[in-house]
Amino acid sequence: DTGVSQDPRHKITKRGQNVTFRCDPISEHNRLYWYRQTLGQGPEFLTYFQNEAQLEKSRLLSDRFSAERPKGSFSTLEIQRTEQGDSAMYLCASSLGQGVFQPQHFGDGTRLSIL
Amino acid sequence: GQQLNQSPQSMFIQEGEDVSMNCTSSSIFNTWLWYKQDPGEGPVLLIALYKAGELTSNGRLTAQFGITRKDSFLNISASIPSDVGIYFCAGLSTGAGSYQLTFGKGTKLSVIP
Repeated sequence: DTGVSQDPRHKITKRGQNVTFRCDPISEHNRLYWYRQTLGQGPEFLTYFQNEAQLEKSRLLSDRFSAERPKGSFSTLEIQRTEQGDSAMYLCASSLGQGVFQPQHFGDGTRLSIL
Repeated sequence: GQQLNQSPQSMFIQEGEDVSMNCTSSSIFNTWLWYKQDPGEGPVLLIALYKAGELTSNGRLTAQFGITRKDSFLNISASIPSDVGIYFCAGLSTGAGSYQLTFGKGTKLSVIP
């Protein structure tokens, strides 16, 4: 399967711990996005990379959150000092494109539960 | 920020019936997308609309990009049990090189066999 891959699928951790998620985009896609989805809501944009450059960040991305895409391929999203409100599904998406919008294709997400 | 109003929030229909759902916004979007999400999975792209007035079909699904660029609808004809899921509209406004999608809150579809 050559879709967007996310790891782990589920993460349970205690409040205050750090967590890191990984996303492997579709191989030829140069754009990568992170979204957060809480129960009963649509996904909310967090951040976007074009190749290795992080070009856009949402105000939802507090200073406890950091995302990287060091070689322009896979990306990681780290949450430091997790809080109860961080419990959500974290979705990664990727797309092709150089200037022209191409639809974003999503992975199956990492579900984070904070105890 | 931008918001999308998606309706209805939920629908219960008989198998074989047609379904219609829509999204409206106070802001203009350049692209409208419709996704379906099953429990525990990520959203799957159904239809992408790039031009005001565009009407696009994908099998039993038909979607239109409103001419005001502030709304879109999705129709599903002759529903079947596997149509069950949550349908999301999403809009893209590419001002200043932004590529973030704004999503509606979803329409939860239940199909009664």
